[in-house]
Amino acid sequence: SQKIEQNSEALNIQEGKTATLTCNYTNYSPAYLQWYRQDPGRGPVFLLLIRENEKEKRKERLKVTFDTTLKQSLFHITASQPADSATYLCALVRGYQKVTFGIGTKLQVIP
Amino acid sequence: EAEVAQSPRYKITEKSQAVAFWCDPISGHATLYWYRQILGQGPELLVQFQDESVVDDSQLPKDRFSAERLKGVDSTLKIQPAELGDSAMYLCASSSDRDRETYEQYFGPGTRLTVT
Repeated sequence: SQKIEQNSEALNIQEGKTATLTCNYTNYSPAYLQWYRQDPGRGPVFLLLIRENEKEKRKERLKVTFDTTLKQSLFHITASQPADSATYLCALVRGYQKVTFGIGTKLQVIP
Repeated sequence: EAEVAQSPRYKITEKSQAVAFWCDPISGHATLYWYRQILGQGPELLVQFQDESVVDDSQLPKDRFSAERLKGVDSTLKIQPAELGDSAMYLCASSSDRDRETYEQYFGPGTRLTVT
């Protein structure tokens, strides 16, 4: 069956360090992979999209990699700040805008 | 900046009652999604509209849930009768067919449903 796995445990890191979140998937062939941020009690907010033929995408302090052989995406936040504390969701996009979300990883940046 | 509007923000209802949620997407967005998100889980797609047509409702419990987008603009999601297990956040999102760069979905603030 199709499955998207993200670290179910919360990730705690020290301010200034790089946070790395993992998204693994099985039995999917996504055309694109997206990352969203979600704060408590609010809807997700889009951060980045990476295509299957792209290895890496950057936006300010964010970096995403996509390895279709390993079926894995890594999401990095460099120089992390307490304001980066949130839940981060990966989403696979297939077909005509068909999106499937993972369960998300809660990131806590400690001052 | 344009936003997706949802109402109500919070709803408490007794089981077996009917409940309805409303969503107004960003103007011009042809695709509209309804998701259910249980605490600690990711959003689960219930129904996807392209204009007024349903594209995907494979995960919608059709015995009790219904959704419509009659004029291809705003949308209503209904639950009748509500069950205790329906307690969740109901999120609406929209996206533009013209956005081929990011396929970004814009989410509304959600409706928090509590069934007692």
